[in-house]
Parts: sequence; C-alpha cells; structure tokens
Amino acid sequence: ETGVTQSPTHLIKTRGQQVTLRCSSQSGHNTVSWYQQALGQGPQFIFQYYREEENGRGNFPPRFSGLQFPNYSSELNVNALELDDSALYLCASSPGLGTDTQYFGPGTRLTVL
Amino acid sequence: QKEVEQDPGPLSVPEGAIVSLNCTYSNSAFQYFMWYRQYSRKGPELLMYTYSSGNKEDGRFTAQVDKSSKYISLFIRDSQPSDSATYLCAMSGYSQGGSEKLVFGKGTKLTVNP
Repeated sequence: ETGVTQSPTHLIKTRGQQVTLRCSSQSGHNTVSWYQQALGQGPQFIFQYYREEENGRGNFPPRFSGLQFPNYSSELNVNALELDDSALYLCASSPGLGTDTQYFGPGTRLTVL
Repeated sequence: QKEVEQDPGPLSVPEGAIVSLNCTYSNSAFQYFMWYRQYSRKGPELLMYTYSSGNKEDGRFTAQVDKSSKYISLFIRDSQPSDSATYLCAMSGYSQGGSEKLVFGKGTKLTVNP
C-alpha cells in the first residue's frame, strides 16, 4: 500500500454536471499530481500542485481545476462534464518535485452518461 | 507521432517464461525512465527506475535503456502468475509551467498462465 487514498471509488454523473474527486497524500508529501487514465490507455498528466500552488499543467482545458490543502489532502474539480471525461482519475503524491518518488492512489472511476 | 509508443498486447506466456516488454520514444529530452505495474482496479506501482543507458537489475526484473535508439525494455525472468498485470513504461518530461511530469505509454497487458 502506498498510503495514498482516493474517494470515492466509483462515481456516475451525467453530461454537464460538475464533480469533485478527493485525494489524501502521505504525510509530509508536498507535491500532488493528477492523471487521467482512459480505458486501454496510459495515464495522462492533468496538473501538479506543490505547497498549495499549481506549478505545472498538461493539455487539459480550464474546466479541470484543483486545490491542495495544508493537511496533505487535495481535490480535482471538473465542470461541465463531457462523455469523454469518463476515465480512471489517479492522484500521485511525492515528497518533492521529482517524478522518481511518485506514489499513486487506487484511483476514482468516473462514468459520465 | 506519440511521444511514447508501447505495444498494448495482450501478451500471454506460460509460467516460467522470459517476458520482454518494450517502448520507444521520440523526445530526446526525456532523462528518466520507469516501469510501472498496474493490477486491475489498482493504481500504478513503481517497479524500476533508471536514468542512464544500460541495464539495471532487481531480482527477476531487468530494465534496459538505449538512449541512442530511444528504446527501453523490461525483462521478467521466471515469470509467475502473480506477474499478470498491465505494465506501463513512463518517462520523465516537463509540463507547461516547468514541473516534472510522467509521460506514459499505453501499457501492455500480460497474462502468465500456470
């Protein structure tokens, strides 16, 4: 176990709705990265937060946003859901900014109908 | 052209076989190379991490990097049914904003039959 937890495990939403996914990092891990993994694909980088500030973003529209809190928890918010947003959403925490020590959570499976 | 190419398989082998998994990449800026294992309904788990050309061994696993050919491999010796999973190659790149990010291949689904 990586010590990274995510909630909920599964979620079903309809097109146009908004969703909030949650991640709890390991204590002391100041960096959290979020990835989207569509079925049959590898994870794609959404964005990264370091000490509560966004410090890097992938090719995702602004309706994907996030927050990181001082208690090592974080959120991924997606507005105006589209069918293509159906995927497994993974968070990964790390003590610093390097990618060699990212620990992934089990993911949240989002289905958009 | 995708930055990282990986044959999705599926790959099915008998127990005890040597498994070879491969990825190619196009971005010569990638510096670090990783292999992750992902069991069904779980997050990826880091197996191997390398940053230079050559081989790195850890138990039954060997990671190989050839930067001149932009080609990486993972070998699994004496494969076990518990090795059945999806194997993802990943490379360390940079996002807009300059943060390090992982760029993943599609993953290869491996089944080891008893």
